[in-house]
Amino acid sequence: DAGVTQSPTHLIKTRGQQVTLRCSPKSGHDTVSWYQQALGQGPQFIFQYYEEEERQRGNFPDRFSGHQFPNYSSELNVNALLLGDSALYLCASSLFDRAPDTQYFGPGTRLTVL
Amino acid sequence: GNSVTQMEGPVTLSEEAFLTINCTYTATGYPSLFWYVQYPGEGLQLLLKATKADDKGSNKGFEATYRKETTSFHLEKGSVQVSDSAVYFCALRTNTGTASKLTFGTGTRLQVTL
Repeated sequence: DAGVTQSPTHLIKTRGQQVTLRCSPKSGHDTVSWYQQALGQGPQFIFQYYEEEERQRGNFPDRFSGHQFPNYSSELNVNALLLGDSALYLCASSLFDRAPDTQYFGPGTRLTVL
Repeated sequence: GNSVTQMEGPVTLSEEAFLTINCTYTATGYPSLFWYVQYPGEGLQLLLKATKADDKGSNKGFEATYRKETTSFHLEKGSVQVSDSAVYFCALRTNTGTASKLTFGTGTRLQVTL
C-alpha cells in the first residue's frame, strides 16, 4: 500500500522565483491538504483540494496556489518567493466522505529560499 | 478560533522513565484530537487519536484521554525508549462538515538517553 509521496525532497530557490511542489496521495484517498512547517514550529494549514477544487484555505497570501488532477495528485505553487517561505512543506491525504477523517502525511519537501 | 497549546520542550528523560506531555486546546464545537510524531528528517506520523469526550487513544505504549471538562489531551507513556526520541505534536480537527483542517501545537521535543 503506497503511502503519501512528495517531490522533490529538497529544493533551493532565490527570492522572486517561483516553485512547484508535487504530492501523490495514499492509495484510495481523494483529498489532499497542504501545510507549511517553519523551523521549530507546528505545521500551518495552507489549503485543501477535493474534486479538483480548493475547499478550504488558511491564512496564506494569493502567492500560494494549488491544483488537483483527476488522479487526485496535487501541486502547490508559490510565486514571488520570499525568504520567509523557507520551510518544510507537507502534503496530507484523506478521504473526503469519511468524517472524522484521518490525514496521512508525506515526508515533505524542504524549500530553502536564498 | 481554534488553538492548541503544548508544553515547551525539550523534555529529556532516561530510558524507562514515565512520560507526560501536556496538551490543552481551545475550539468551537466538538473537535477530534490527535497526537502526531515526527522523527528527525521525516514527515508526520499519526500516533493516536480520539474523536469524542472520554475516549482514550492508544498506540505503541502511548495513550491519551480526551478530557472535555479540562479541554486537555495529555500524552503519556509508562516506560520510554531511546527510539521514542522525536518531536510530538498535538492537533485538533473540528467536525464541521467534511472539508477539514488540522490545527497543530508548536511541538514538544523528547530526548531519551540511556
